[in-house]
Amino acid sequence: QQPVQSPQAVILREGEDAVINCSSSKALYSVHWYRQKHGEAPVFLMILLKGGEQKGHDKISASFNEKKQQSSLYLTASQLSYSGTYFCGIGTGTASKLTFGTGTRLQVTL
Amino acid sequence: NAGVTQTPKFRVLKTGQSMTLLCAQDMNHEYMYWYRQDPGMGLRLIHYSVGEGTTAKGEVPDGYNVSRLKKQNFLLGLESAAPSQTSVYFCASSYLGASYEQYFGPGTRLTVT
Repeated sequence: QQPVQSPQAVILREGEDAVINCSSSKALYSVHWYRQKHGEAPVFLMILLKGGEQKGHDKISASFNEKKQQSSLYLTASQLSYSGTYFCGIGTGTASKLTFGTGTRLQVTL
Repeated sequence: NAGVTQTPKFRVLKTGQSMTLLCAQDMNHEYMYWYRQDPGMGLRLIHYSVGEGTTAKGEVPDGYNVSRLKKQNFLLGLESAAPSQTSVYFCASSYLGASYEQYFGPGTRLTVT
């Protein structure tokens, strides 16, 4: 079953913050975050493994709540280059593969 | 390094025709994946492979077959194309499973008329 992402879409002004959530009905082994620009392939942002860790680089960070079976992606002081569709991918069970959410479309405007 | 490459980039098929999509990676990754992406549906896993000579079904395997005869190549076949298989197909690879990032190829846009 696909993880549920929220919101489905968000529009920001440059410099504003955003949070994208990813919830699973299954116990999580890992959570991946990817960004995809229109007409391009998804690009890896970060992985979080079970243990409740938080990761970040630059102004993008993420948390992983194993108990709640959810992850959140935080984008601070958004830039125009952050525009795109963000996907979470969850690893469960055998940890061989990911199941991706349906995506959150983020648009950053001037 | 070229990373992950896919051939062809675009293809138009008539219903009932067959074709093979080729994915190649030069990173010595064990795991390879085929996804399809449709508007509003995200990425859905068709088949995957955890090593040379192995394949397994994903979420939406019907109508597709795969082979991994060489570690660096993963082939996706459509034996009898249907309009419902119109989609963008992405191949990806990773070092080992869900603990490692996936590297995606540029995609193949397939239209079945």
